[in-house]
Amino acid sequence: AQSVSQHNHHVILSEAASLELGCNYSYGGTVNLFWYVQYPGQHLQLLLKYFSGDPLVKGIKGFEAEFIKSKFSFNLRKPSVQWSDTAEYFCAVNDMRFGAGTRLTVKP
Amino acid sequence: ETGVTQTPRHLVMGMTNKKSLKCEQHLGHNAMYWYKQSAKKPLELMFVYSLEERVENNSVPSRFSPECPNSSHLFLHLHTLQPEDSALYLCASSQERDYEQYFGPGTRLTVT
Repeated sequence: AQSVSQHNHHVILSEAASLELGCNYSYGGTVNLFWYVQYPGQHLQLLLKYFSGDPLVKGIKGFEAEFIKSKFSFNLRKPSVQWSDTAEYFCAVNDMRFGAGTRLTVKP
Repeated sequence: ETGVTQTPRHLVMGMTNKKSLKCEQHLGHNAMYWYKQSAKKPLELMFVYSLEERVENNSVPSRFSPECPNSSHLFLHLHTLQPEDSALYLCASSQERDYEQYFGPGTRLTVT
């Protein structure tokens, strides 16, 4: 069965710190990979996606993620976070499997 | 209006009531989804429709009954719910299955 694991439940960083959120999945077939973000009081929205090609994908607001097939991972990164990045982040595989989410709090 | 809309935004219902949640997408997508989002729990997929046909039902209790009359509309009919069904119910759509999803704002349901 497909599953998605997000290792960090709550991450607290200061502004300008670097961010890496882990995501591992369990699925043997072709995967489409996504990161979604939910800002406080707002809809879930797409941050970035990987379907094929360059395993390093760039998304909105300076986020990027790297697909490492051998590790079944799709970690999210940002070199320097801002207070406005405070949100909940969800990793997803294909159209139905979401991770439990990671809450990011950025302190000003 | 664009995107995915959901009505009502908030709903309080008793355990013996019958109510329906509505979702409408204005994106021309072929797949639609219902999710349940509870505090401190992963997002739970409930139902998936592709081209108006239900393609997945994740062991959801029969007190939740979906309906997809056309590719733009999705309903979730509720009856004899339990307090533990209180949650945020999210609707989403995608161009095709396995593509990125566009989410609505959700219906905050409280069962008393």
